[in-house]
Amino acid sequence: AQSVSQHNHHVILSEAASLELGCNYSYGGTVNLFWYVQYPGQHLQLLLKYFSGDPLVKGIKGFEAEFIKSKFSFNLRKPSVQWSDTAEYFCAVNSVASGTYKYIFGTGTRLKVLA
Amino acid sequence: DVKVTQSSRYLVKRTGEKVFLECVQDMDHENMFWYRQDPGLGLRLIYFSYDVKMKEKGDIPEGYSVSREKKERFSLILESASTNQTSMYLCASSFRGQDSNQPQHFGDGTRLSIL
Repeated sequence: AQSVSQHNHHVILSEAASLELGCNYSYGGTVNLFWYVQYPGQHLQLLLKYFSGDPLVKGIKGFEAEFIKSKFSFNLRKPSVQWSDTAEYFCAVNSVASGTYKYIFGTGTRLKVLA
Repeated sequence: DVKVTQSSRYLVKRTGEKVFLECVQDMDHENMFWYRQDPGLGLRLIYFSYDVKMKEKGDIPEGYSVSREKKERFSLILESASTNQTSMYLCASSFRGQDSNQPQHFGDGTRLSIL
């Protein structure tokens, strides 16, 4: 069965530190990959997505992610975090060949940025 | 901007009651989804629908049913509420798109407590 792993459940950083959140998925076929963010008290919103082409994708608010097919990974990065990046981050995968619109979400990473 | 509206932000019900959670989207999306979000477990798919009157079971459908009589509305029904159904419920919608590559748009969630 398809699955998505986010190994970092809680991350605490100081402002201006660099961020990398891991995401690994288990599926051998073509996938669509997403990162969503949920700020405190708000709904989930899309940070960035990868379908094809350049494996380095840029999203909103200075976030980027790199798709490494050989490692089944789609890690999220930001060079310098801000206090306002405190949120929960979810990686999600959708399989192209499965013929369904079912998305698999990771368990999430709670990021706390200290001012 | 896409708007996914869930009828209640907070809801308190009693064990054994039949509970209805409503979701409406205003962007003519074909796909609609119901998830529950629990700490440490991320988002788990309950049911989804890719067309009016069509539905498919997700990963945890037991104890739930859904209804999609109109394209814009997707209802989640707890047939006989139990305390283990206390959770945050999220509704989402998306275009069908090519190769299932459309991101999902989420509502604000309904925090349901079953006493």
